[in-house]
Amino acid sequence: DAGVTQSPTHLIKTRGQQVTLRCSPKSGHDTVSWYQQALGQGPQFIFQYYEEEERQRGNFPDRFSGHQFPNYSSELNVNALLLGDSALYLCASTRPLGGSTYEQYFGPGTRLTVT
Amino acid sequence: AQSVTQPDIHITVSEGASLELRCNYSYGATPYLFWYVQSPGQGLQLLLKYFSGDTLVQGIKGFEAEFKRSQSSFNLRKPSVHWSDAAEYFCAVGSRPMDTGRRALTFGSGTRLQVQP
Repeated sequence: DAGVTQSPTHLIKTRGQQVTLRCSPKSGHDTVSWYQQALGQGPQFIFQYYEEEERQRGNFPDRFSGHQFPNYSSELNVNALLLGDSALYLCASTRPLGGSTYEQYFGPGTRLTVT
Repeated sequence: AQSVTQPDIHITVSEGASLELRCNYSYGATPYLFWYVQSPGQGLQLLLKYFSGDTLVQGIKGFEAEFKRSQSSFNLRKPSVHWSDAAEYFCAVGSRPMDTGRRALTFGSGTRLQVQP
């Protein structure tokens, strides 16, 4: 049973460019959340998708957008990259509702460097 | 707004010694609390969680945490630390979403644990 997978592992972009990061949730999970983790900081919630719609959003500008596909995989897009967007981007998935407990399973992350 | 404070940025303990990592939260209702561990260059692994009930929760790798509502704390403990426990530890609180189960997490800034031989 594969866990949460993310691609690519690393990438380097230039200021002003656009980037797309990808996430495949754990098998059986239908909800995907994205987090940004700057160096030396805790992860910060960007947004969450389920049923192919953005359901919750953290305090991030509109340059950050996403998408969820029918197979529950998700993309995170960042436009007009800034140096401050350099971070580890983490994807987490959650199983469908119905149980008494739940947890978010995290992927290994994508390390984005903006130069 | 909810928040999480981890007062200790860096802690060093000797292998075999006991460990306590502090976590204080601010949340207006019954919190959903988590501890995660992150090894260098890795994602986050859930150690344990508290939703309700018994305030002392057991997790993986011999960790436990105690929820104290009066102190707004959820401290992580381990009686005997192993060298492999060296990592970054994050406390998190789950927000109250529109529907149950899909909670965005608010993380603290983390505590880096070093283990001396």
